[in-house]
Amino acid sequence: GAVVSQHPSWVICKSGTSVKIECRSLDFQATTMFWYRQFPKQSLMLMATSNEGSKATYEQGVEKDKFLINHASLTLSTLTVTSAHPEDSSFYICSADLGLAGLDNEQFFGPGTRLTVL
Amino acid sequence: AQSVTQPDIHITVSEGASLELRCNYSYGATPYLFWYVQSPGQGLQLLLKYFSGDTLVQGIKGFEAEFKRSQSSFNLRKPSVHWSDAAEYFCAVVLSGGSYIPTFGRGTSLIVHP
Repeated sequence: GAVVSQHPSWVICKSGTSVKIECRSLDFQATTMFWYRQFPKQSLMLMATSNEGSKATYEQGVEKDKFLINHASLTLSTLTVTSAHPEDSSFYICSADLGLAGLDNEQFFGPGTRLTVL
Repeated sequence: AQSVTQPDIHITVSEGASLELRCNYSYGATPYLFWYVQSPGQGLQLLLKYFSGDTLVQGIKGFEAEFKRSQSSFNLRKPSVHWSDAAEYFCAVVLSGGSYIPTFGRGTSLIVHP
């Protein structure tokens, strides 16, 4: 199947700093990528949908100025957590789809990035 | 309210035993149904999906799931569990006519005893 990678796999940062997480589709072009957040022992919550060359669409309650998403190419989307605070500590997962029509448009998930803010 | 429910937070089974993970949904119409597995520190992998037709769906790694409309359920089963099956399992739905972005249940953690 299609492979999606994330970098870094884990990151620790100080409160107030910004952290960038990369999501890459390795063997396919992804018009659309998705960013999820997963708290311990909880489900994945969709944060935003990222389309190449356009602004991301954020889910209700997600601060777009805090979670900056850039989908600069068909194989790369980045999530930047700006001015991170301890409550931003979480597991961030991206996914990408093949751009197919309808239900054949399966999402492929990256391995996730563990962010810890001290 | 519309929801996806996985009533079991943890399930513990012995290696070689059978497994059933429960998933119920609450939507006005039958959604499209999925099961994903997440191994520690890794992303989600699709096990199987149901759109229509035969209500018993075969997936990868020896898993199967049965859609029961009358019970609004889509339970995941495996006849004989292997230690490598220990992971987090997520049921997910996609609403017909929607954006095809899955909504996930909270997950069930599978623990396998030797």
